[in-house]
Amino acid sequence: QVQLVQSGAEVKKPGSSVKVSCTASGGTFSRHTISWLRQAPGQGLEWMGRITPVLETPNYAQKFQDRVTITADESTSTVYLQLTGLTSDDTAVYYCARDPMGFDPWGQGTLVTVSS
Amino acid sequence: EIVMTQSPATLSVSPGDRATLSCRATQSIGTNLAWYQQKPGQAPRLLIYTASTRANGIPARFSGSGSGTEFSLTIRSLQSEDFGIYYCQYYNNWPPEYSFGQGTKVEIK
Repeated sequence: QVQLVQSGAEVKKPGSSVKVSCTASGGTFSRHTISWLRQAPGQGLEWMGRITPVLETPNYAQKFQDRVTITADESTSTVYLQLTGLTSDDTAVYYCARDPMGFDPWGQGTLVTVSS
Repeated sequence: EIVMTQSPATLSVSPGDRATLSCRATQSIGTNLAWYQQKPGQAPRLLIYTASTRANGIPARFSGSGSGTEFSLTIRSLQSEDFGIYYCQYYNNWPPEYSFGQGTKVEIK
């Protein structure tokens, strides 16, 4: 049974970057596809990108193409999301979740607050 | 881009009643559809995938149906723990495309 555990909450200044981690336990990490999604306060869900560690090449939503980097470290079963050029619009809870055919399971979420 | 539209925005239901939630796609998506339940402060939980298959551990009172552009989630005999926001989601593996509806809030009547 795969479980995903994310890093803790972050407070960032506008213009800076954030890196959030998602560590998997159980299952065969390298063959799982892990996606990153976010949810702004009181809003819906938005897919940002994904990676399958064994394939190495990530895929990104067009909206985030220029600002997001998703990487995987097989030695620690961890997937990372880095988002640059933060603005207040990036204040959200960021989730990792396993693909495909529906996201399951999900990490517990990481609140990223962008504030001056 | 495929856009998912859910209706109604809010559904007021009494415990024990049936709830039916709708989801429409702007073009045919076959059965590439999932449903999620989300409660305040929690991550979403997968209920249904491939439009009608219940995820592991999901009670039989949850059922999904539909194909193409019209889908529905039915909750038979609503329980107190079923209140929350429900999202439908289109997924396509390649090229990767994922799109969520705006959600339906199921609240106590």
